[in-house]
Amino acid sequence: EAGVTQSPTHLIKTRGQQATLRCSPISGHTSVYWYQQALGLGLQFLLWYDEGEERNRGNFPPRFSGRQFPNYSSELNVNALELEDSALYLCASSRLAEGTAALHFGNGTRLTVT
Amino acid sequence: SQQGEEDPQALSIQEGENATMNCSYKTSINNLQWYRQNSGRGLVHLILIRSNEREKHSGRLRVTLDTSKKSSSLLITASRAADTASYFCATRESGGGADGLTFGKGTHLIIQP
Repeated sequence: EAGVTQSPTHLIKTRGQQATLRCSPISGHTSVYWYQQALGLGLQFLLWYDEGEERNRGNFPPRFSGRQFPNYSSELNVNALELEDSALYLCASSRLAEGTAALHFGNGTRLTVT
Repeated sequence: SQQGEEDPQALSIQEGENATMNCSYKTSINNLQWYRQNSGRGLVHLILIRSNEREKHSGRLRVTLDTSKKSSSLLITASRAADTASYFCATRESGGGADGLTFGKGTHLIIQP
């Protein structure tokens, strides 16, 4: 079974630009989660999608947005990039929308904003 | 906000020794999970313990949960160099889970050969 795949692995952008990060969940998983892992801050919850709908979002400004496609893959968009957006962005998927399922993570996209 | 807080922040031990990491959390939970992250990689799920369980084993891993103290511990026995990684606890709050899993900042474990 293929794992969660994220692309690109690395992304370098200039402040003010927009970034698009992509995630393909494990086959059969309908829930996709996005997390930001900045240095020294642990994992911060960004967004949760299930069955194509945004179920919840973390404490991030509206310039962080995303969507989930009919095939359950997902995109994270970050507009008007700021230097502090530099981080590892992790996508995870699970089989159930409820809280009992473990999350399966991709290896992340390293976003660097200069 | 961070729900789980791991302790210690960093731990360095000799290969073969046991490693113990602790996690404290603040609210009532549905379950608590432990994950491992090798440098620059994604997280790997290790073990899940439900709120009505007190102890769980998986190979060289032993997890305990004390809901009265809102704390959990992860014990890795007979450590190996390959166990060098960051370990995170993650909690799912009772009655929802709409916030996704809430992770702590992790314990960085170094196994000296």
